[in-house]
Amino acid sequence: GAGVSQSPSNKVTEKGKDVELRCDPISGHTALYWYRQSLGQGLEFLIYFQGNSAPDKSGLPSDRFSAERTGGSVSTLTIQRTQQEDSAVYLCASSFTGGAGNTIYFGEGSWLTVV
Amino acid sequence: QKEVEQDPGPLSVPEGAIVSLNCTYSNSAFQYFMWYRQYSRKGPELLMYTYSSGNKEDGRFTAQVDKSSKYISLFIRDSQPSDSATYLCAITQGGSEKLVFGKGTKLTVNP
Repeated sequence: GAGVSQSPSNKVTEKGKDVELRCDPISGHTALYWYRQSLGQGLEFLIYFQGNSAPDKSGLPSDRFSAERTGGSVSTLTIQRTQQEDSAVYLCASSFTGGAGNTIYFGEGSWLTVV
Repeated sequence: QKEVEQDPGPLSVPEGAIVSLNCTYSNSAFQYFMWYRQYSRKGPELLMYTYSSGNKEDGRFTAQVDKSSKYISLFIRDSQPSDSATYLCAITQGGSEKLVFGKGTKLTVNP
């Protein structure tokens, strides 16, 4: 009965390094989302996976950002050549099915600091 | 103009007060309206969900949507210290998977 699990919970990295953030959604949930929350900002949509459909990548801020979802379950968000402005909380969420009106459950986030 | 505007506060009230939290939005196509609560260093959790205009009540919480004014509200009655958190409004169109969030209002309820 675990919720959405994210790792690492905290990550400090040097500018220019690559980072990988992992999300394990709730079992049986077909939809998976990544959001970013910067200090004093609301949640910013990054990417959405639904089953075997092509992901909606329209929120990714640059080509340094990419995400995969393997086997319809675990997802990895990769940030290449990190910049200081990438410092934020990266939140993963899942829902039983995608689409408006479905309850979305969030993980506790991966807190990324780029120094 | 941002799609969703929310006063970031902070808002500080005494225990037992009635709290009113608000958001305005610009896109009349939005149909689904949600309020999330986020405790410090935790992920957001869904509090209330409404579709289209009207009121919805759940215990001490009431969500109100006025589509004609593009205005949504969350009322908390008999506020408790455990209600201290950041409250985020979230809105989406029918068929859209992308929730658009407000910046959140930080609420502190003082015992």
